[in-house]
Amino acid sequence: QKEVEQDPGPLSVPEGAIVSLNCTYSNSAFQYFMWYRQYSRKGPELLMYTYSSGNKEDGRFTAQVDKSSKYISLFIRDSQPSDSATYLCAMRRAAGNKLTFGGGTRVLVKP
Amino acid sequence: DVKVTQSSRYLVKRTGEKVFLECVQDMDHENMFWYRQDPGLGLRLIYFSYDVKMKEKGDIPEGYSVSREKKERFSLILESASTNQTSMYLCATHPGTGLEEGTDTQYFGPGTRLTVL
Repeated sequence: QKEVEQDPGPLSVPEGAIVSLNCTYSNSAFQYFMWYRQYSRKGPELLMYTYSSGNKEDGRFTAQVDKSSKYISLFIRDSQPSDSATYLCAMRRAAGNKLTFGGGTRVLVKP
Repeated sequence: DVKVTQSSRYLVKRTGEKVFLECVQDMDHENMFWYRQDPGLGLRLIYFSYDVKMKEKGDIPEGYSVSREKKERFSLILESASTNQTSMYLCATHPGTGLEEGTDTQYFGPGTRLTVL
């Protein structure tokens, strides 16, 4: 069983809809949680970074962390075709810089 | 802005060849990483380096080696390429320790898509 599980999709939504993405993990040692966005033929880029349980908002993006359930989510409001990409969750322990990634969810926002 | 460059975007090699993938960063970051990315498997860590001449195995080091002779450059070496090493290879850097939350992240290069025939 993988340490971090993420539905591969693809997730297809109409423009303007809310995109809901999530990851579950099994290792309670993970303390820092990130979401990366990866466009086709590009490297991943950091989208959201969270530490504590709860919500963090940045523009149209909201990241949620529920450590008790070992579950993290990313919501994209008012989705745009430019949001079409693969979204990767990543997490790490308190010490060290090694990240463990989910498999990524491919999102397609249709105009 | 952090800039991480990789020597090739696309590479085609034959089974048994020795392959060098180079990564160069211009932000004086301490840590560097090599991943491979395969559909459904996400990013898997091959090797990482916390400092010049230092290296540590990641989750899938078999068939690979690395070299970090200078701080800005981290090379991945496939001693004898095999078809199961066909993949997207991504290099990443990290500034180091003692950072503010939000800056404590890895920065990725554009990737090298390697095909081994």
